[in-house]
Amino acid sequence: DVKVTQSSRYLVKRTGEKVFLECVQDMDHENMFWYRQDPGLGLRLIYFSYDVKMKEKGDIPEGYSVSREKKERFSLILESASTNQTSMYLCAGAGRWASGELFFGEGSRLTVL
Amino acid sequence: DQQVKQNSPSLSVQEGRISILNCDYTNSMFDYFLWYKKYPAEGPTFLISISSIKDKNEDGRFTVFLNKSAKHLSLHIVPSQPGDSAVYFCAARQGGGSQGNLIFGKGTKLSVKP
Repeated sequence: DVKVTQSSRYLVKRTGEKVFLECVQDMDHENMFWYRQDPGLGLRLIYFSYDVKMKEKGDIPEGYSVSREKKERFSLILESASTNQTSMYLCAGAGRWASGELFFGEGSRLTVL
Repeated sequence: DQQVKQNSPSLSVQEGRISILNCDYTNSMFDYFLWYKKYPAEGPTFLISISSIKDKNEDGRFTVFLNKSAKHLSLHIVPSQPGDSAVYFCAARQGGGSQGNLIFGKGTKLSVKP
């Protein structure tokens, strides 16, 4: 199975700070995704990437950017964190994408004060 | 507008009985439907999937049914166990090629009581 590792489980940042969330997958898969999960709102897609240096906006890209310089690494960047970006962030790699299956990391709980 | 809807935020079931979780969708172009299970403070884990050309898929205690005419799918868990208590997300894939992605519902919190 694909292993997806997110660098930080818990972060606390201040409003206006730049935040990097790192994600690494250990298999040679092209597709990687960033979601955020909020109570009552489910998982919402922020950005995804289907190859190195390629990125596509998801449903809620505002306030975020991404970087995919290497196939195994997909970073989510909050240029200027705001309190409404307090959330659980979930990175996923395409495992058995032929059947739509994603493998998720453990998540990064970000609190913006 | 939500393309994948889980209208029940929560469901409570007695241990040993059947749990039925429901999901509706609007986009007839979805080609795969999946169910994920999520415990608090963990990432979602894949449970079961079904192709849009099938109407049923079974894996142990878990069965997913797809009704394309009604744009409805359901997950049946029989028998339910306390360890099944979690949030269940329904998801649908749009774009089966390299540029596809998964659309998730808002989730249903299942509580299985001993």
